[in-house]
Amino acid sequence: DQQVKQNSPSLSVQEGRISILNCDYTNSMFDYFLWYKKYPAEGPTFLISISSIKDKNEDGRFTVFLNKSAKHLSLHIVPSQPGDSAVYFCAARMYSGGGADGLTFGKGTHLIIQP
Amino acid sequence: GAVVSQHPSRVICKSGTSVKIECRSLDFQATTMFWYRQFPKQSLMLMATSNEGSKATYEQGVEKDKFLINHASLTLSTLTVTSAHPEDSSFYICSAPDPGRTNEKLFFGSGTQLSVL
Repeated sequence: DQQVKQNSPSLSVQEGRISILNCDYTNSMFDYFLWYKKYPAEGPTFLISISSIKDKNEDGRFTVFLNKSAKHLSLHIVPSQPGDSAVYFCAARMYSGGGADGLTFGKGTHLIIQP
Repeated sequence: GAVVSQHPSRVICKSGTSVKIECRSLDFQATTMFWYRQFPKQSLMLMATSNEGSKATYEQGVEKDKFLINHASLTLSTLTVTSAHPEDSSFYICSAPDPGRTNEKLFFGSGTQLSVL
């Protein structure tokens, strides 16, 4: 049972426009959400995160929105640039109180920015 | 940000051989490291949690005798795939928690592409 879902395997956006990547989760115990960017044959790199006590976090061109009641979050990239083409993973953490915990990842969305 | 170094980046081996993958935290100490595996077009799946000085914790369905984890120091964790078979071919990635902020994000190594012939 997939607890973090990214239902769009791929997304194509024109350069300069807004890219919106969506993510849904089922476990209400998740308390922290992260977005990672990944290029082929490389490890993921951290992009932006949001705590469950917030509904928005912004960092430059990247904004993450969290709707707890809908168990939904989204990543907005504006304006989209060619270098943004990559696979984006949504991830969630459930704090156990006992130390570091692994993240649960979605399947990823391949974002393609077209010139 | 913190740097996690993973070696080798690519391994091609014959079926039945063992392969060791190293994961190092370069400028910080990591009492915990995580090992993930990713099959093509699939999610990153947590395999196990490596704990310095104690036994690793394996996720359900991951064979501990096949995937040996050793976290002998605060900067090094190793994953050994024993008696590798073609179905073990995958992309293996290690990670360590951000040392500055408790558990809020993970830094990942560059991954190891394992191909078993």
